[in-house]
Order: sequence, then structure tokens, then C-alpha cells
Amino acid sequence: ETGVTQSPTHLIKTRGQQVTLRCSSQSGHNTVSWYQQALGQGPQFIFQYYREEENGRGNFPPRFSGLQFPNYSSELNVNALELDDSALYLCASSLEQGAEAFFGQGTRLTVV
Amino acid sequence: TQLLEQSPQFLSIQEGENLTVYCNSSSVFSSLQWYRQEPGEGPVLLVTVVTGGEVKKLKRLTFQFGDARKDSSLHITAAQTGDTGLYLCAGAGTASKLTFGTGTRLQVTL
Repeated sequence: ETGVTQSPTHLIKTRGQQVTLRCSSQSGHNTVSWYQQALGQGPQFIFQYYREEENGRGNFPPRFSGLQFPNYSSELNVNALELDDSALYLCASSLEQGAEAFFGQGTRLTVV
Repeated sequence: TQLLEQSPQFLSIQEGENLTVYCNSSSVFSSLQWYRQEPGEGPVLLVTVVTGGEVKKLKRLTFQFGDARKDSSLHITAAQTGDTGLYLCAGAGTASKLTFGTGTRLQVTL
């Protein structure tokens, strides 16, 4: 077990709704990255947070936003959900930027 | 845009066989990582290769980083059913951002 926990594990939402996914990073890790993994694909980088600041963003629209708290846990928010947002959302934490990333088990989001 | 192509996409073999998975890119990465992912789980790091030409062995798994640091291979000797899973290569760029490959789904049967 990596110590990175995500909640919820599964979620079903309706198109147009908003969703918040949560990630508790491994103890002492100050860097959290979020990835989207569509079925049958490799994970795609959404963004990264380092010490509560966004530190890099992938090719995702502004309706994907995030937050990192003082305890380094993190949230991923997605507004105006679309059917194509259905995917496994993975959170990974690192001791520092550039260090090994440890992944959580993911949140499976289904948009209907 | 950096892209990592993996081949083959799917591989179904019998226990005891050998196999090689390839990861190719047009870009140079500072390091390259290999992960294995099982259904319902996040990817788990197997190895990181950093130096061009580097070869690393992890029991029955052998990882190689190309001289130009653009490609890599994973060779499994005498595959076991427990090797079944999705194998992902990932190039490490700035600030821990990982660019993942397309994945190779391996099925090992008795």
C-alpha cells in the first residue's frame, strides 16, 4: 500500500453536473499530481500542486480545477461534466518535485 | 507534444514464454519509468532508468534505456500468470510531470 488514498472509489454523475474528487497524499509528501485515465489508455497529466500552488498543467480545459490544502491533501473539481469525462482519475504524491510518484487506487467517474 | 508509443498494445502468451515490450518516443526524456497497473488499482513503479544505454534487472524483468534516451524496452523471461497486467512506460519531464505511453496489456495463461 502506497499511503495515497482517494475518495470516493466510484461515482456516477449526470452530464452538466459538477464533481469533487479528493486525495490524501502520503505522509510528508508536498507534491500532488492528478491524472485522467480513459479506458484502455495511459494516464494523461491534468495538473500538479506543490506547496498549495499550481505547478504545471496539462492540456485540459479550465473547467478542470484543483486545490491543495496546508496538509497537502488535494481536490480535483470538474464543472459542467461531459460524457467524455468518464474515466479513472488518479492522484499521485511525491516527497518533492522530481521524486518518485506514488499513486492512489483512483476514482472511477462515470458520466451518464 | 511529447508522445510515447508502446508496442504491442495487447499480448497474450502462455506461462513460461518470453516477451518484450517496446516504448518509443520522438522526444528525449531526463528519465524513463516503467509501471505495472492491475485492474482497480493505480500504477505501481517497477523501475526508473536514467542513463542512455542503461540496463536494469529486476528478477525476471530486464529494462533497457536507449542510447539516445528516446526509447526503452521491457523484457520478461519465463512469464508467470502473476505478470498479467497493464504495463506503462512514462517519460519524466519537469517537476514530476509524467508523460505516459499508450500501454501494453499482457495476459499470461497456464
